Amino acid sequence: GAVVSQHPSRVICKSGTSVKIECRSLDFQATTMFWYRQFPKKSLMLMATSNEGSKATYEQGVEKDKFLINHASLTLSTLTVTSAHPEDSSFYICSARDPRYGYTFGSGTRLTVV
Amino acid sequence: AQSVSQHNHHVILSEAASLELGCNYSYGGTVNLFWYVQYPGQHLQLLLKYFSGDPLVKGIKGFEAEFIKSKFSFNLRKPSVQWSDTAEYFCAVNAGNAGNMLTFGGGTRLMVKP
Repeated sequence: GAVVSQHPSRVICKSGTSVKIECRSLDFQATTMFWYRQFPKKSLMLMATSNEGSKATYEQGVEKDKFLINHASLTLSTLTVTSAHPEDSSFYICSARDPRYGYTFGSGTRLTVV
Repeated sequence: AQSVSQHNHHVILSEAASLELGCNYSYGGTVNLFWYVQYPGQHLQLLLKYFSGDPLVKGIKGFEAEFIKSKFSFNLRKPSVQWSDTAEYFCAVNAGNAGNMLTFGGGTRLMVKP
């Protein structure tokens, strides 16, 4: 099946610094990728839709300037959490839709801001 | 906008018990329906999906789900659970007007006692 690779799997950063999370589709091209955030004991909330070659579409309540998304190629989307604060600590998951196999999820990134 | 409801947040069962997890969605048009499972420490995996055809779909590991259009439901079932089914289960919907976007239910945490 399709594979989406997400890196890093875990990251700890200091408050005020920025963190970049990468999401790669390994064996298919993804014009659209999705970034989700999973809160403790809660479901996945869609943060934004990443569109190759154009601006991302953010869901209501998601700060565009804090969560920068870049989708520069058909196989790579990045999410940068800028000026991270402890409340940004969470589990971030990316997803892409392979026309052959449907939705595939990355393994997630656990961000801890100290 | 579509929404997805999972009524059971926590379910505790003994091995060999039968399982049914509820999922309801709010969209009157064409939908694609999914159940995902997230085992402890692992990423989301697809259990089964419904696009069209037979409303009773069978997935991996003995799971099945039934799409009942009149009830806007897509409940997940398994006749006899195992300890290894302990995980969190998410229902997700892709509505016809939402492009590739998935909307997730709140998740159900299942614990199977040996």
